[in-house]
Amino acid sequence: KAGVTQTPRYLIKTRGQQVTLSCSPISGHRSVSWYQQTPGQGLQFLFEYFSETQRNKGNFPGRFSGRQFSNSRSEMNVSTLELGDSALYLCASLGQAVGETQYFGPGTRLLVL
Amino acid sequence: GESVGLHLPTLSVQEGDNSIINCAYSNSASDYFIWYKQESGKGPQFIIDIRSNMDKRQGQRVTVLLNKTVKHLSLQIAATQPGDSAVYFCAENIRGYSTLTFGKGTMLLVSP
Repeated sequence: KAGVTQTPRYLIKTRGQQVTLSCSPISGHRSVSWYQQTPGQGLQFLFEYFSETQRNKGNFPGRFSGRQFSNSRSEMNVSTLELGDSALYLCASLGQAVGETQYFGPGTRLLVL
Repeated sequence: GESVGLHLPTLSVQEGDNSIINCAYSNSASDYFIWYKQESGKGPQFIIDIRSNMDKRQGQRVTVLLNKTVKHLSLQIAATQPGDSAVYFCAENIRGYSTLTFGKGTMLLVSP
């Protein structure tokens, strides 16, 4: 099976712009979670989608949003970018059972100037 | 491997040594624990997991120990190799939720 794929791998944006990141989970997996990784805060949970519905949400401002399509692919959007949004954004997929292992993609490195 | 704020704790070992990476988790309701390895420029890679009804689980060259009394998790790597050099994260999961809560991570440096 192919692993989790994320596009693009690298992005450079300026403050105030918006960005959309994409994630394709492992075939058959219906849950996609998004995490933000920074040197200062580590790995922090953004949100999770399951069957096109947001199932869980972390403690991030409303500028961070996401959605999931019927084929389980997911996108996350960050509007009005701030310098502090520079981070590695990771997507993870898991099967249907809660408590199963989450498998991560390679991440999208976002740099906000 | 205790977290020291913004700086990752580092464990330096020689090739062939056994490594032990520690993690203190926060929530007594957590019932599933995972160790991930993250190499530079890559996403976290699953190593081994353990459920709260167990106190030890072994994989290939790796062993995870769980002490629920003190909320402590450890990862033991036998015969550490240079390719094991990476940042290691523990993650906890609470029953009924798919969200993972990650520790701050420990950097493992293996010298040839």
